Amino acid sequence: GAGVSQSPRYKVAKRGQDVALRCDPISGHVSLFWYQQALGQGPEFLTYFQNEAQLDKSGLPSDRFFAERPEGSVSTLKIQRTQQEDSAVYLCASSFDSVTYEQYFGPGTRLTVT
Amino acid sequence: QKEVEQNSGPLSVPEGAIASLNCTYSDRGSQSFFWYRQYSGKSPELIMSIYSNGDKEDGRFTAQLNKASQYVSLLIRDSQPSDSATYLCAVASGYSTLTFGKGTMLLVSP
Repeated sequence: GAGVSQSPRYKVAKRGQDVALRCDPISGHVSLFWYQQALGQGPEFLTYFQNEAQLDKSGLPSDRFFAERPEGSVSTLKIQRTQQEDSAVYLCASSFDSVTYEQYFGPGTRLTVT
Repeated sequence: QKEVEQNSGPLSVPEGAIASLNCTYSDRGSQSFFWYRQYSGKSPELIMSIYSNGDKEDGRFTAQLNKASQYVSLLIRDSQPSDSATYLCAVASGYSTLTFGKGTMLLVSP
């Protein structure tokens, strides 16, 4: 595809439900990032993959958050037992390699926890 | 903790004027600097990157970097109403994780 794609674009979950957010990066991009963006704020780093290896997960806010990229392409961000404070836009970005810092963002998934 | 500071605005300029957006950062080890444009309800779009001190021009956009002062700026010449958006400054250090500012809202009036 031409750009980063994410699905679903919108997700409404009841508090306590588990959700899974998918990211399909630009073809051939080695690095993949997840960010969380609250209303009126800049994106905040969650986790980083280089190919299938998760090299940094320091931004994940709790152990309810889990991310994977098993084949080095598509990635899934899973949130277990969702809470209202998890409501945000979840952005995925990819970059060509671990040296090129230019990251390209997908459209995001807006998660609303009721 | 790495911080990136931006004036939240809004910065209001008339059509055709120069818009000047500023950003400061706390980590002296930062190596790469980016400006993203974000329209309301959309995701960030990369518009400029700069890696060394000085100016970098791309069309109507000029990015300026001063590492000694830990300062990055973006100039938009001949501002258009379509430039109205939130502009996010992002800084990378280490491998490639970006630290973003909160963004400056720019309003260009016809």
